[in-house]
Amino acid sequence: DTEVTQTPKHLVMGMTNKKSLKCEQHMGHRAMYWYKQKAKKPPELMFVYSYEKLSINESVPSRFSPECPNSSLLNLHLHALQPEDSALYLCASSQEGGIFAYEQYFGPGTRLTVT
Amino acid sequence: DAKTTQPPSMDCAEGRAANLPCNHSTISGNEYVYWYRQIHSQGPQYIIHGLKNNETNEMASLIITEDRKSSTLILPHATLRDTAVYYCIVRVANSNDYKLSFGAGTTVTVRA
Repeated sequence: DTEVTQTPKHLVMGMTNKKSLKCEQHMGHRAMYWYKQKAKKPPELMFVYSYEKLSINESVPSRFSPECPNSSLLNLHLHALQPEDSALYLCASSQEGGIFAYEQYFGPGTRLTVT
Repeated sequence: DAKTTQPPSMDCAEGRAANLPCNHSTISGNEYVYWYRQIHSQGPQYIIHGLKNNETNEMASLIITEDRKSSTLILPHATLRDTAVYYCIVRVANSNDYKLSFGAGTTVTVRA
């Protein structure tokens, strides 16, 4: 199984809502990632978890809160978002470290619209 | 990390080989070349990587010049499903750094 799944596929939320994005993989990967992709732009890294611990936070605003409950799951909690946060949110996973960290498997993404 | 330069777009005829160039003239000896692609409205897909030897897998071939300053991704028999944005990324394989930085990439359109 080389699949990364993400739910929901689409999400529309108001600026006062709280919602969560979910990501799951069963490849035994111990590194998991959140990326943000605006229209017609390349993906940009937001967070990296390694062995369920936050390894990298690319200075993401605190209205985005990641969580890694176990080695297969990754969540992104959203609160008080702004319309400019509307984007495709991508989850990825990889084996840990070295050259394997860059063979990342991506999910299909959650398309988020903030109204 | 070394910077990469790719043409913004290219067309390819279905059934023909697609040759995608990437320039990385400032690459250092311990940096790998990685290729990804992103089909419209999907997540990026890992294709192949290499250090200095040519590499081939079921998706593509990667040809790296002897001086390692450029490389070419070859899709041997392009199909309409290969229409995508292709990203060339150069990275040091440092076990403490997981950051994959995507550039603008090359938009490849395969035409029937």
